[in-house]
Order: sequence, then structure tokens, then C-alpha cells
Amino acid sequence: DAGVTQSPTHLIKTRGQQVTLRCSPKSGHDTVSWYQQALGQGPQFIFQYYEEEERQRGNFPDRFSGHQFPNYSSELNVNALLLGDSALYLCASSLGGTGEGYTFGSGTRLTVV
Amino acid sequence: GEDVEQSLFLSVREGDSSVINCTYTDSSSTYLYWYKQEPGAGLQLLTYIFSNMDMKQDQRLTVLLNKKDKHLSLRIADTQTGDSAIYFCAEKVTGGFKTIFGAGTRLFVKA
Repeated sequence: DAGVTQSPTHLIKTRGQQVTLRCSPKSGHDTVSWYQQALGQGPQFIFQYYEEEERQRGNFPDRFSGHQFPNYSSELNVNALLLGDSALYLCASSLGGTGEGYTFGSGTRLTVV
Repeated sequence: GEDVEQSLFLSVREGDSSVINCTYTDSSSTYLYWYKQEPGAGLQLLTYIFSNMDMKQDQRLTVLLNKKDKHLSLRIADTQTGDSAIYFCAEKVTGGFKTIFGAGTRLFVKA
């Protein structure tokens, strides 16, 4: 049973560019959350998708947007990249309204130069 | 407000017990979690406790919850070198869907 799959694993972009990160949730999970983890810090909540809708958003600018597809997979898009966007981006899947915790992917390491 | 605080470092000898502490501010939290992160990897859920419980034990792991003081702890019995990692405390807040994470406690296990 595959866990959470994220692609790509590493990415280098230039300031001002746009990036799309992808996530396939664990089999049986229907909810996808995205987190940003800067070096030496805890994950910060970006947003959560359920039933193809963004149902909660953290304190991130509109440059960060996402999408969830009918097969529950998800994309995170970041426009107009800044140096400060360099981080590990983590996708976490879970099952609907349960509180039994996330299954995380290994993340996408984004470096903005 | 919503905040989770942890001490940054803990060093123990192999075979000893480790106790990692966490405080949280949202008294309406429903679930509280401990996650483990090894270098270059995502987070792995270790255990969780529902807010109406005081204690939960799972093999070498014991979670204690003091709701009055908003304090959560994770005890790892017979700590091994393979337990060296960063441990994150997290809370799921009532009335929302997000889970909030602390900054993590880096556990060093000396052989």
C-alpha cells in the first residue's frame, strides 16, 4: 500500500518564476493538507483540500494556490517566487473528519535563487 | 491564540528514558499528536491522544496529558540510537481543520 507520494523531490527555481508541486495521497485518504517547513522550524499550515475545495487556509499570501482532483491528488502552485519561499514543502493526507493524524510524504525541497 | 512550544534539544544515553515536553495554548484542542522526523524525510505519526484522556501507552511510548496546565509529554523507554530524530508536538484545534506544529525537539542519543 503506497503512502503519500510527492514530486519532484528537489527543485531549483529563479526568483519571480512559478512552480507546481504534486501530491498523491495515501490510498483510502480523501483529504490533503500542504505545509511549508523552513530549515530548523516546524511545519506551517498552508491550506487543506477536501472534496476538491479549499476548506481552510493558513497565513500565506495569494501567491500560494492549490487544487484537488477527483482522484484526491493535489497540486500546490506558487507564483512570483521569492527567496524566502525556499523550504521543504510537505503534503499530508488524512481521512475526512477523523482526527487520527496525518500521513506525510517525504516532501519537495524547493530552492529559490 | 494558537501556539505550541517545545524545548529545542534533549540529549540522553542509550538505554535511558527520554521525556520530551510540550505546552499548547488552545484549551479547546481535540487531538494532540507526536510526530518524528528523521533527516531528509517527512514526518511520521508516532502516537496521538484525544483530549478527554490523561495517558496513552504504546509499546515504548507513553503520552501524558495535563489539560489543566496544557502540557503534553512523550516518554520513550529504553531509548536507542535509532530514536535520534526531531520530535514534533502538534494539536488539532476545535472548530477548524488545521493541525498546528511546534518547532520540534531534537533528540540526541549517545551510545
